Amino acid sequence: AQSVTQPDIHITVSEGASLELRCNYSYGATPYLFWYVQSPGQGLQLLLKYFSGDTLVQGIKGFEAEFKRSQSSFNLRKPSVHWSDAAEYFCAVVPRGQGGKLIFGQGTELSVKP
Amino acid sequence: EPEVTQTPSHQVTQMGQEVILRCVPISNHLYFYWYRQILGQKVEFLVSFYNNEISEKSEIFDDQFSVERPDGSNFTLKIRSTKLEDSAMYFCASSEGLRGETQYFGPGTRLLVL
Repeated sequence: AQSVTQPDIHITVSEGASLELRCNYSYGATPYLFWYVQSPGQGLQLLLKYFSGDTLVQGIKGFEAEFKRSQSSFNLRKPSVHWSDAAEYFCAVVPRGQGGKLIFGQGTELSVKP
Repeated sequence: EPEVTQTPSHQVTQMGQEVILRCVPISNHLYFYWYRQILGQKVEFLVSFYNNEISEKSEIFDDQFSVERPDGSNFTLKIRSTKLEDSAMYFCASSEGLRGETQYFGPGTRLLVL
């Protein structure tokens, strides 16, 4: 079945530590790939997206993501986490050839320890 | 920077009542969307709208739901007879194009049906 999976529901990291949030997808053709962040009381903000080309994508706020076709993954990374990064992170896809709707993963809640 | 706005931010209604959620998309965008997020669940696509008509809708978007662009700036979601299970955060989004164009989200309307 077509799906987007974020295996980690909740992650806690220490401020200054590195971060990796996992995202796997299951689609026949590689979909368009996105990471959104939702801070408390806020809407969804796009961090980065991948359509094609270079598999390492740079985004806002110091985030990057790497597309790995062999693993059907699009993991989000940040070398050094700040307390303000505490939020919920959503991986999402737009399947190719299926209109423009976003299909979201379950989300990963990130907590940052001082 | 242009942004999507939504009103109201919170709405409480009685079961069976009609509600209208309002959105002002970014002015030069052509595609409009509604998503919802039930507490603790993933963000789900409801409907997309282009050129004054629905272009795609999900199974959730049944006859109780309707969308409208009553003028050049507003985009509304109407729920005719609300049910308890309609309680959720409703997000409006807009994009310039389809198929991977970035969707910009509003802050959401939290709907509580009693």
